[in-house]
Amino acid sequence: EAGVAQSPRYKIIEKRQSVAFWCNPISGHATLYWYQQILGQGPKLLIQFQNNGVVDDSQLPKDRFSAERLKGVDSTLKIQPAKLEDSAVYLCASSDPHGIRNTEAFFGQGTRLTVV
Amino acid sequence: AQKVTQAQTEISVVEKEDVTLDCVYETRDTTYYLFWYKQPPSGELVFLIRRNSFDEQNEISGRYSWNFQKSTSSFNFTITASQVVDSAVYFCALSEARNAGNMLTFGGGTRLMVKP
Repeated sequence: EAGVAQSPRYKIIEKRQSVAFWCNPISGHATLYWYQQILGQGPKLLIQFQNNGVVDDSQLPKDRFSAERLKGVDSTLKIQPAKLEDSAVYLCASSDPHGIRNTEAFFGQGTRLTVV
Repeated sequence: AQKVTQAQTEISVVEKEDVTLDCVYETRDTTYYLFWYKQPPSGELVFLIRRNSFDEQNEISGRYSWNFQKSTSSFNFTITASQVVDSAVYFCALSEARNAGNMLTFGGGTRLMVKP
């Protein structure tokens, strides 16, 4: 089966600019996650969707970050305006809450963002 | 709140040595899941194992083995006869069953370097 697809793989922007990341989960996976992984740290959950509804966005900096999953499939994560501390890898993951491997999340390769 | 600690930030071994990666977790839930993921230089997180809190049986998969001890809140990972291809960052993670979905709390990771 095809894995979680993310684009772009790399992005360099100046501070105060805007940026958007795209994620296409595994077909049929109702649950989608965005994680932020700062260099040298473990991933941290930003937001979790179940279909097109938000389940948890308690760690999303809502003053500058937004995410949507309008049709319950693809998702976009936006940062506006970006700060230097947003430099990180943004990982998208998906899982099937009803499958036999329902507690396993499958991760994409991530988007590496550098803010200069 | 849940927490995962990987005290070893970096380990270096010579090929064919055995190596154990430590993981200690904190949770107030009685039902939870523990995971290990591998992150090679390419960046994606590769699922290795899931354990639920009611199954303390240790598991072996080829050169990999896992030791789950609820009494010490530990879920350690051993690689036997390490190989250069095992070089990666390894993350331990926790998911509490009461979370809607499978939100993962990651440890800080252990970078394993296997030298020829």
